[in-house]
Amino acid sequence: DTAVSQTPKYLVTQMGNDKSIKCEQNLGHDTMYWYKQDSKKFLKIMFSYNNKELIINETVPNRFSPKSPDKAHLNLHINSLELGDSAVYFCASSPRDRLNTEAFFGQGTRLTVV
Amino acid sequence: GQNIDQPTEMTATEGAIVQINCTYQTSGFNGLFWYQQHAGEAPTFLSYNVLDGLEEKGRFSSFLSRSKGYSYLLLKELQMKDSASYLCAVSTGGGNKLTFGTGTQLKVEL
Repeated sequence: DTAVSQTPKYLVTQMGNDKSIKCEQNLGHDTMYWYKQDSKKFLKIMFSYNNKELIINETVPNRFSPKSPDKAHLNLHINSLELGDSAVYFCASSPRDRLNTEAFFGQGTRLTVV
Repeated sequence: GQNIDQPTEMTATEGAIVQINCTYQTSGFNGLFWYQQHAGEAPTFLSYNVLDGLEEKGRFSSFLSRSKGYSYLLLKELQMKDSASYLCAVSTGGGNKLTFGTGTQLKVEL
């Protein structure tokens, strides 16, 4: 029943490791996003994919690589994790042909790098 | 660049009315959203404005003035459960990119 689901919910890992966060939406939306929310609660867009095609790529280190195997999934892979990567990562989706409709957010993945 | 400003914190009394302001300067404008985010949870949609004026939805209303780059969210008959962060976000670009403000942490007290 969950509209946008992401796993894991919590992720604790050591510096230098590589980790992935998965996201799936069952809303039939064409567009999916990754947002990062830092310790000051500032929510910032990282990537956006439309029907498996990258359309937004903000200034994000290339250690972050999104992958969209199909339009219902958008995974985020992070290489060589750093302490500053600790944050909550939110996946979201919206219908592309209705630009001015709300984005639906997943529950977030709290990443802690130690 | 994109700049969205809103107060960091506000405190109000249960049953009262509170207005949370948001000013923005963005390149492009597809509309302005308000989201509510409780601690440890995902942001959830509250309202959307693209034309000037007031949109009312139950206890919540949102106002937009595009010429002034200004919006506010009005919460009436405050309840304790309204204690949350309120995020102002502007949609720009063809990808419906949302640029968020830093959020206003609202605390509702007895």
